[in-house]
Amino acid sequence: SQKIEQNSEALNIQEGKTATLTCNYTNYSPAYLQWYRQDPGRGPVFLLLIRENEKEKRKERLKVTFDTTLKQSLFHITASQPADSATYLCAPRNQAGTALIFGKGTTLSVSS
Amino acid sequence: DAGVTQSPTHLIKTRGQQVTLRCSPKSGHDTVSWYQQALGQGPQFIFQYYEEEERQRGNFPDRFSGHQFPNYSSELNVNALLLGDSALYLCASSLGTGIGYTFGSGTRLTVV
Repeated sequence: SQKIEQNSEALNIQEGKTATLTCNYTNYSPAYLQWYRQDPGRGPVFLLLIRENEKEKRKERLKVTFDTTLKQSLFHITASQPADSATYLCAPRNQAGTALIFGKGTTLSVSS
Repeated sequence: DAGVTQSPTHLIKTRGQQVTLRCSPKSGHDTVSWYQQALGQGPQFIFQYYEEEERQRGNFPDRFSGHQFPNYSSELNVNALLLGDSALYLCASSLGTGIGYTFGSGTRLTVV
C-alpha cells in the first residue's frame, strides 16, 4: 500500500540555522510533490510544488529537492525564524485529479 | 476574493447523533475535498466531489457521506457518531484537476 513517512515528529532548531525536513514515500510514482504548512487549529497552506523532472525548487528562504530514485523529498528552510514554527506536511501525487494524500507531518520549533 | 469558508467552527455532539458540516469553496473553484485530522496526525482523505458527484473516496465507513450543490458548495454528513470521530474536519477546494488546494480553517467536532 502507499505510504508517506516524514522524519521525526518534532524538529527543534535555533534561530538562524537551516531546518531540513524529510519526506519518504513508497508505492508511489508521483508526477509531483507538494509541501504545505499548518499552524495549530488552522488548515494547511500550500507552500511549494516540485515536479518529477525537477531536481530542486526555491522560493525565498525555502528550498525543496526531489529524488525519484531515492523516493525522497527534502524541504529546507534557511535562516530559520521563530515565525517558521509550524507543522510541515508533504503530499506526493501520482497525477492531477487523484486526491491529495498527506504524510503525518513534521513539527518544527525554532527557538530564539 | 473569499477563501474557503467552513461552518460551524466548533461543534459538540453526543455519541449516536448525526452531524452536518458545510463548506463554501474558494471563488472559481469547482472541486471540494474533505479531510479528517485527529490530534497529532496528518489530514486523512475522506472523499472528493466534482460536478456534484463523489469522484474519489478514502478509507472511511459509509457513515460518512457528502453532497455537492450546483454552486459547488458541499456538505459532509456523519451518522451514528462515535467518540473516535472527534477531530478537525477540513475542507479543501481546487479547480478541476488543479494542483494546489486551498483549505478552510476547519470545523472542530467533539463527540461526547
